[in-house]
Amino acid sequence: AQSVSQHNHHVILSEAASLELGCNYSYGGTVNLFWYVQYPGQHLQLLLKYFSGDPLVKGIKGFEAEFIKSKFSFNLRKPSVQWSDTAEYFCAVNSNQAGTALIFGKGTTLSVSS
Amino acid sequence: GAVVSQHPSWVICKSGTSVKIECRSLDFQATTMFWYRQFPKQSLMLMATSNEGSKATYEQGVEKDKFLINHASLTLSTLTVTSAHPEDSSFYICSAVPGQGSNSPLHFGNGTRLTVT
Repeated sequence: AQSVSQHNHHVILSEAASLELGCNYSYGGTVNLFWYVQYPGQHLQLLLKYFSGDPLVKGIKGFEAEFIKSKFSFNLRKPSVQWSDTAEYFCAVNSNQAGTALIFGKGTTLSVSS
Repeated sequence: GAVVSQHPSWVICKSGTSVKIECRSLDFQATTMFWYRQFPKQSLMLMATSNEGSKATYEQGVEKDKFLINHASLTLSTLTVTSAHPEDSSFYICSAVPGQGSNSPLHFGNGTRLTVT
């Protein structure tokens, strides 16, 4: 069965600090990988996704993630965070078979102080 | 494009009553929709996969008789929480993928916050 592990439960940073959130997945086949963000009181928004090709994926709002197949990892990065990045971040994976559900990690709460 | 609409956005009901939540894909057809549940400060847990014209597939531990799913058309799936109890209070989120292929990210509705008193 697929599973997703996010190592950091709560990350606290100051503005302009660099961010890296860890994500590892467990699945034997070919997967699609996603990072979603949920701002306080809002619904999920897609930050970025990886299906195939270049393992370094750039998303919205300056975020990027790197797929390292050998490590089953898909870590999220941002060189300089802003106060507005305070949110809950979810890593998710699904099989590349058509119509499969996303399996989510437990999420990482990011708090950015100004 | 690819908008998923959920209704209602919040609902309060009394213990023992039933609540229906609708999930609509507004500008695309979705043969498959997914229902998730999110408890406060926790992640989204997949409850079931809703397939148009057939029975839903439930995840282990989810009571199919309590959480009735109907996917009557390519743009509408409903989740009915029957005989609701306070422990059913949660945030319910639906999602759908446009088209038949997997190379499309899931689009999520805004969620429905259910409070059972």
